[in-house]
Amino acid sequence: QQPVQSPQAVILREGEDAVINCSSSKALYSVHWYRQKHGEAPVFLMILLKGGEQKGHEKISASFNEKKQQSSLYLTASQLSYSGTYFCGTGSSGSARQLTFGSGTQLTVLP
Amino acid sequence: DAGVIQSPRHEVTEMGQEVTLRCKPISGHNSLFWYRQTMMRGLELLIYFNNNVPIDDSGMPEDRFSAKMPNASFSTLKIQPSEPRDSAVYFCASSPDRAVSNQPQHFGDGTRLSIL
Repeated sequence: QQPVQSPQAVILREGEDAVINCSSSKALYSVHWYRQKHGEAPVFLMILLKGGEQKGHEKISASFNEKKQQSSLYLTASQLSYSGTYFCGTGSSGSARQLTFGSGTQLTVLP
Repeated sequence: DAGVIQSPRHEVTEMGQEVTLRCKPISGHNSLFWYRQTMMRGLELLIYFNNNVPIDDSGMPEDRFSAKMPNASFSTLKIQPSEPRDSAVYFCASSPDRAVSNQPQHFGDGTRLSIL
């Protein structure tokens, strides 16, 4: 079952912060985050494994709450280059053979 | 290192024609995925190979679609006969290991397919 992402779209000014959420109805083992710019391939950002850890990539970080089956992606002091569609992909067990991707959150950063 | 290589980048063909999409995964990666992306349905997994063996093809829409991986460095996705509703961007991705849920997937640039 496809994870649910919210919001569907967000518009920011450069320097503002944003949070993108990803929720699943299934028990999760891992959550992946990818960013896709228009006309390009999705690019891997980070993986979070169960344990509630938080990871960071430059000014982008994420958390994973396995009890709530949720992950959140935090974008701090947004830059123009952050614009794109963000997808979460969820894996339901350690030997899961596939990810199920959410429908995406379109992020636009304006100057 | 070279990334995942897909060809062609664009394909325009008429309904009923056979379409073959090609993918070369990253060297050393054991898992290969074919995805289809549309506005309506988002990013859908079609089929997944591990060590050249198809593991999960439950996402293949119907018998018109077939995929092969004859060796570790090449895979094809074939549509025969093609229909307008097959128009989409098709991505190939690879990852290093069998336990795919904790390995990043590396995507190719995709093939933009238009069936007239």
